[in-house]
Amino acid sequence: GENVEQHPSTLSVQEGDSAVIKCTYSDSASNYFPWYKQELGKGPQLIIDIRSNVGEKKDQRIAVTLNKTAKHFSLHITETQPEDSAVYFCAATTGNQFYFGTGTSLTVIP
Amino acid sequence: EAGVAQSPRYKIIEKRQSVAFWCNPISGHATLYWYQQILGQGPKLLIQFQNNGVVDDSQLPKDRFSAERLKGVDSTLKIQPAKLEDSAVYLCASSFHSGNTEAFFGQGTRLTVV
Repeated sequence: GENVEQHPSTLSVQEGDSAVIKCTYSDSASNYFPWYKQELGKGPQLIIDIRSNVGEKKDQRIAVTLNKTAKHFSLHITETQPEDSAVYFCAATTGNQFYFGTGTSLTVIP
Repeated sequence: EAGVAQSPRYKIIEKRQSVAFWCNPISGHATLYWYQQILGQGPKLLIQFQNNGVVDDSQLPKDRFSAERLKGVDSTLKIQPAKLEDSAVYLCASSFHSGNTEAFFGQGTRLTVV
């Protein structure tokens, strides 16, 4: 099955700085890559996703890039704010179940 | 649009007891997932339903876990008997159909086995 690795496991940034989280996947058949934000005591919430026919997608301060050749994709958050503090999960799917990374705990320091 | 509803939010049981979790997916969503999330880890799929049929239950510990989705809507996940290592958050998610479409998650049920 698919194996998704995520780095770093923890990340601290100053408010206003950028944050980058990286994931790699193993199955070249994976074609959909969502990113989820999970706040304490809540379920994961989709923040952005990208499909394999696209190399980059942006939504305001959040962007995702995909390199199919290298089998890695990254989440970029610019102008970070304290409310961005949460655990972020990447995931990959070939069309059935989602395989999740182990998560990145992001702390934005005011 | 109402989200995925789960209950209870919290449950504490003793080992060897049984427990059941309930999930009501978003209306019209054919695919329903149950995930187990152990503290500090990403969600791990336990079982995936397409309507009322099982698509994938390869990671479900079938000697103690069972799940059903009667009528292709609500679903229940049961653990009997529970073990200490079952302590986790159990997340239910649904999507319009399986595959590369957004999955919406409920808030989860935090299970503590003592």
